[in-house]
Formats: sequence, structure tokens, C-alpha cells
Amino acid sequence: QVQLVQSGAEVKKPGASVTVSCKASGYTFTTYDINWVRQAAGQGLEWVGWMNPNSGNRGYAQNFQGRVTMATDTSISTAYMELSGLRAEDTAIYYCARGHSGYIYDSWGQGTLVTVSS
Amino acid sequence: DIVVTQSPDSLAVSLGERATINCKSSRSVSYRSNNKHSLAWYQQKPGQPPNLLIYWASTRESGVPERFSGSGSGTNFTLTINSLQAEDVAVYYCQQYYSTPPTFGPGTKVEI
Repeated sequence: QVQLVQSGAEVKKPGASVTVSCKASGYTFTTYDINWVRQAAGQGLEWVGWMNPNSGNRGYAQNFQGRVTMATDTSISTAYMELSGLRAEDTAIYYCARGHSGYIYDSWGQGTLVTVSS
Repeated sequence: DIVVTQSPDSLAVSLGERATINCKSSRSVSYRSNNKHSLAWYQQKPGQPPNLLIYWASTRESGVPERFSGSGSGTNFTLTINSLQAEDVAVYYCQQYYSTPPTFGPGTKVEI
């Protein structure tokens, strides 16, 4: 079955960077986009960006331009999201999600809590 | 960006009764050429990631119970849960994927 398994929780200081990984299994990694979506505590869902593991094409939400970098390693079916210049408002659960037909998310990782605190 | 709103914010429904959630987009998310509507519904239970229920406004994801149904077009959409079960207690989000960035509604909390 399709599975996306993310790396563990992180605690970072303001201004630092964090990298979250997402390992895919149960399907051919290069045939679906990987998207990242975040959710602050008690809040809604915010799209961060997407990447196509086959072409390397990617796109980021305006709010994260210049601070986020997405990458994939197809040899180990893993996607990465790096967010730099962390601020308290970046404290949230970050999810990776498999996208089909664009932005239809049919499988999600378990989420990674990123806490930004001095 | 397309803004997505939902109503109500929360609702309490008796077991076995129907729940109806509305979703409205600031612009049409329907393709006139093929009459497809770029609107999805997700269910999120506490401590879990969202789970896809419905896409293309009315197509049920594999494994989703038939009591979940979606309808609508243009800017107005509805998720209906018939015969509510205890396990349906969750927050429900609609999402438009007609244009980038994809955007989500604020969520509707369904309680018993």
C-alpha cells in the first residue's frame, strides 16, 4: 500500500533552517508529484509547494518564496523540504502529500511537528 | 488566489441523521469544456493527517463509504454525510485545485 513516512519532530531557534524528509513506498516514486502542506495548531491547511520527482520541476507558494527549497532523491524515493529563516509563525505540522491530477492529495505523510522557539 | 469559505463553522448532528457542509469559492472552479469541477473534500480526525474523501466535486475516493457524497458546480459545493456514524466526528475541509496555489477552506467541525 502507498505510504509516506516523514522524519521526526524538530525544535529550532528563530533564524535557523529545518529539513523535513518524506520517504515514499508502495508506488513508483517518479510518477506522482510530492506536495508539502502545513498546519499550525488548531488552524487550517496551507499549501507550501510541490515538486515532480521525475522532471525536477517545482513551484512554491508566494509566502515561502526565497525561504523554501524542495528536492527529491529518486534513488531512495525520498522527498525533502528545507525551510530557512525560521520564525515563530512557522511553528506547525508539515505534511508531505502525494498529488495526482495536479493537487488532489490521495496519500499523506503522518506529519512532522516543527517548533520554532528561542 | 481563490479564496475558499465554508459554512457552518461547526455542527452537531445526531447519530443516523444527515450532515450538510457548504463550500464556496471566490471564483468558479469548473471547466465549461468538460463540466469538471476542481473541488475536493478531506476529513481530518484529531492527531491524523487529512484523508481524501471526494474529488472532482462528486467522485468518491476508493474505500470511502457511500454515505459520503459531494455535489455542486461553479462556486457552490456541498458535502453530505448521510446517516452519520460516530466515526465521522472530524473536521472537514474543502479544497480548490483549479488554480495555483491550491487553497483550502477553514474547516467545518462535525460533532455528535
